[in-house]
Amino acid sequence: GENVEQHPSTLSVQEGDSAVIKCTYSDSASNYFPWYKQELGKGPQLIIDIRSNVGEKKDQRIAVTLNKTAKHFSLHITETQPEDSAVYFCAAGSGSARQLTFGSGTQLTVLP
Amino acid sequence: GAGVSQSPSNKVTEKGKDVELRCDPISGHTALYWYRQSLGQGLEFLIYFQGNSAPDKSGLPSDRFSAERTGGSVSTLTIQRTQQEDSAVYLCASSFYTGVSGEQYFGPGTRLTVT
Repeated sequence: GENVEQHPSTLSVQEGDSAVIKCTYSDSASNYFPWYKQELGKGPQLIIDIRSNVGEKKDQRIAVTLNKTAKHFSLHITETQPEDSAVYFCAAGSGSARQLTFGSGTQLTVLP
Repeated sequence: GAGVSQSPSNKVTEKGKDVELRCDPISGHTALYWYRQSLGQGLEFLIYFQGNSAPDKSGLPSDRFSAERTGGSVSTLTIQRTQQEDSAVYLCASSFYTGVSGEQYFGPGTRLTVT
């Protein structure tokens, strides 16, 4: 089955700096890669996703890149703000799998 | 519109008791997923429904766990004879499209504590 590894497990940045979270996956059949943000006491919220037919996707301060050859994808947050502090999860899945396999999460702290 | 809702938000139960957790998906979403999140961990897939049927039950950790969905809407996850290791947050998600190509939207979860 699919295995997703996520790094780092914790990340602290100064407000205004950029943050990068990286994930690797094992199943070459995976073709869908969402990122979720989870705030304390809440369910994960989809913030951006990318499908395997593109290499990069951007939405305001958030971008995701995908390298299918190397089987890794990354989340980039620019101009970080304190409200970006949360746990971020990457995930991978394919049309045949029907479920997402999640990484173990990254606790991002943006220091004011 | 209304998102995914789950009830109860918190449940404390004694070891050996049965519990039922409820999920109301977004209206019109055909697929429904259950995940488990242990403290400080990622999300562990349990089961998914397409309509009322569950093609994939492979993630259920033991035969004490079961789930059903009626009317293509509400789903309940039942844990029988609860054990302390069942303590976790149980998350439900729904999506409009079949298969994983549809975005999954999560509810707030039910925090289960087995004493």
